[in-house]
This record gives sequence, structure tokens and C-alpha cells, in this order.
Amino acid sequence: GQSLEQPSEVTAVEGAIVQINCTYQTSGFYGLSWYQQHDGGAPTFLSYNALDGLEETGRFSSFLSRSDSYGYLLLQELQMKDSASYFCAVRDTGGFKTIFGAGTRLFVKA
Amino acid sequence: NAGVTQTPKFQVLKTGQSMTLQCAQDMNHNSMYWYRQDPGMGLRLIYYSASEGTTDKGEVPNGYNVSRLNKREFSLRLESAAPSQTSVYFCASSHLDHSGNTIYFGEGSWLTVV
Repeated sequence: GQSLEQPSEVTAVEGAIVQINCTYQTSGFYGLSWYQQHDGGAPTFLSYNALDGLEETGRFSSFLSRSDSYGYLLLQELQMKDSASYFCAVRDTGGFKTIFGAGTRLFVKA
Repeated sequence: NAGVTQTPKFQVLKTGQSMTLQCAQDMNHNSMYWYRQDPGMGLRLIYYSASEGTTDKGEVPNGYNVSRLNKREFSLRLESAAPSQTSVYFCASSHLDHSGNTIYFGEGSWLTVV
């Protein structure tokens, strides 16, 4: 089976940097994704890592270590609008099935 | 560009009633999904369809059925609704390849079973 673990809540101040960790256990692995969801909205794609290392997209970066079954999402220069839930997701070996973690609620304070 | 469209947005059902959630995507994606989201539980995969003509169970398929009507449409049916099926349902689609698998979600359907 597959399972993903991430912290339930993180609080940070505006302008700071925050890291949201994700560890996973899967019978197969094809890649780790991150999604953002604001209250009442739909999840939206942020980043995808298939290989080890860091992927950078503007203020957001995502890291993957396949040997450690671990990844993280790094948010820099936090803004109030970054207050949302963030989900890591694993795509299985077959590539068709994507399973999500329970999500990390990020609170950005002024 | 509409993306993923699902209907209805809100629905209240009585226990035992049946209903179908409709979903359509206009991005020519091969794969489609139905997830449910409960507070603190994240997104749980109900069923998915890797391509037209195929469907497979996800993490929580009990009490649901699906139909991949064609490449665009993927419906979710509750045959006999139960209060435990009160949730927000998201339809999604993606085009899977080796470079990634961005999943595009519909706006969600809020279902209450009383």
C-alpha cells in the first residue's frame, strides 16, 4: 500500500521561509508532487519531482530524496496569500494512480 | 478554457437515495479521477480511469460506482447514499507522461447525506 506523512499545521510570519516535509511509503514510486488548496477551493498543482534534487519555481522549491523516501516543499518570502493547505502526493509505479497526504495547514501571520 | 467541470456543486440527499455526479474535461486528458475530501483526511482516491474504457478502484471505492462514458466524461454514482458519504467530491484529470503528471481538479461538489 501507500502512505504519506506530513505535519498537520505550520505557522510562520510574513517574509519568512517555511519548509513542509513529506515522508512516504509506497510499493512503487514514480514521482512526488505538491498541491496548494485555499479554503473552499480546488487543489492546484505547484511542483513535481521525479528525480532526486531540488526543483525551483519562483518562491516555491521542492526537494526529493528517493533513497530516504522524503521530500519537502520550501516556501520563501512568505505572503499572507500563501495561507492555505499544502498536500504532497505520490504517483505509483504504474503511473496512473496518485495518492495524497492528509495535508499541512500553513498559517502566515503578519 | 473550462478545464474540468463537475455538477452539481451542492446536493442534499436522504439516506438511501441515489445520485450521479457528472464530470467532463476539455483538455483531451487520458486519465480521470474521483477523490473525496473530508476534514483532516486530505484527498482520498475513490476510483480512477487510466484511459477511455478502463476503470480501477482507488483507496475508498466501497459504496460507489463509476463510468468512463468517453474520453471527456467520467461519472460517479452513489447507489444508496449513507451519511458517511457526506463529503466534498473532486473530479480531476491528467495527462501522464515521464515529465510529470499535473492533475487538474474541478471546483468540487459538496454532498450532504441526511
